Amino acid sequence: EAGVAQSPRYKIIEKRQSVAFWCNPISGHATLYWYQQILGQGPKLLIQFQNNGVVDDSQLPKDRFSAERLKGVDSTLKIQPAKLEDSAVYLCASSSIWRAVEQYFGPGTRLTVT
Amino acid sequence: GIQVEQSPPDLILQEGANSTLRCNFSDSVNNLQWFHQNPWGQLINLFYIPSGTKQNGRLSATTVATERYSLLYISSSQTTDSGVYFCAVGNDMRFGAGTRLTVKP
Repeated sequence: EAGVAQSPRYKIIEKRQSVAFWCNPISGHATLYWYQQILGQGPKLLIQFQNNGVVDDSQLPKDRFSAERLKGVDSTLKIQPAKLEDSAVYLCASSSIWRAVEQYFGPGTRLTVT
Repeated sequence: GIQVEQSPPDLILQEGANSTLRCNFSDSVNNLQWFHQNPWGQLINLFYIPSGTKQNGRLSATTVATERYSLLYISSSQTTDSGVYFCAVGNDMRFGAGTRLTVKP
C-alpha cells in the first residue's frame, strides 16, 4: 500500500510570493489533514477535510492560506502572499473513516521564505 | 484552547535503559495520541489512548484522564528510538512541544 505522497519536498520563495503544495492521501482514506510544523515545535492542524468537505479550519489563517480537495482525493494548500513566518514544514496526513484516529503522515514539504 | 505540556524537553539515554515521558493537558479530552517523529521528520502514530493503558512491544502508555496526564514508557531503549515524541490531544489535535530523545550506543 502506497503511503501519503507530497510534493514538492522543498521550496524556497521570497516573501510576498505565492506557493502551492500538493498531497495525495492513501487510497480510500476519506479524511485528509494539513499541518504546519515550525522548527522546534509540534505540528499545528490547519485544516481537516472529510471527502471534499471541510470539517475544521479554525486554525487556518484564511487571509493568506487556502486549501481545497475538489474530488475528495488529492488536496492542495496555497499560501498567497507568503510571509517570513510561514517558513515551516507542511505535513499532510490521511485516515480512514473506520479508524479515524490512526493518521498516516506524508514526508512533508519544507518551505523557506526569504 | 487546551494547553499541552510535555516533559522532559530533552532526554539522553544509553542503549538498554528505560525512560518515562510525560504529557500534561489542561482540560478533559476524548482524544489523546502519542507520535514518534524520527530524525528524518517522518511522524508515526504510536498510540491512541484517551484513557487506560496500552502496550505495543517495548512501548506502553497510560492515560489518567481524571488527573489530566499521560505517560509513555520506553523499555530497553534502542538507537532507533531516537527522535521526538509528541502527544496530541483533543479533536483539533493540539500537539505539545515534544520530548527529544537521544539513545546512545
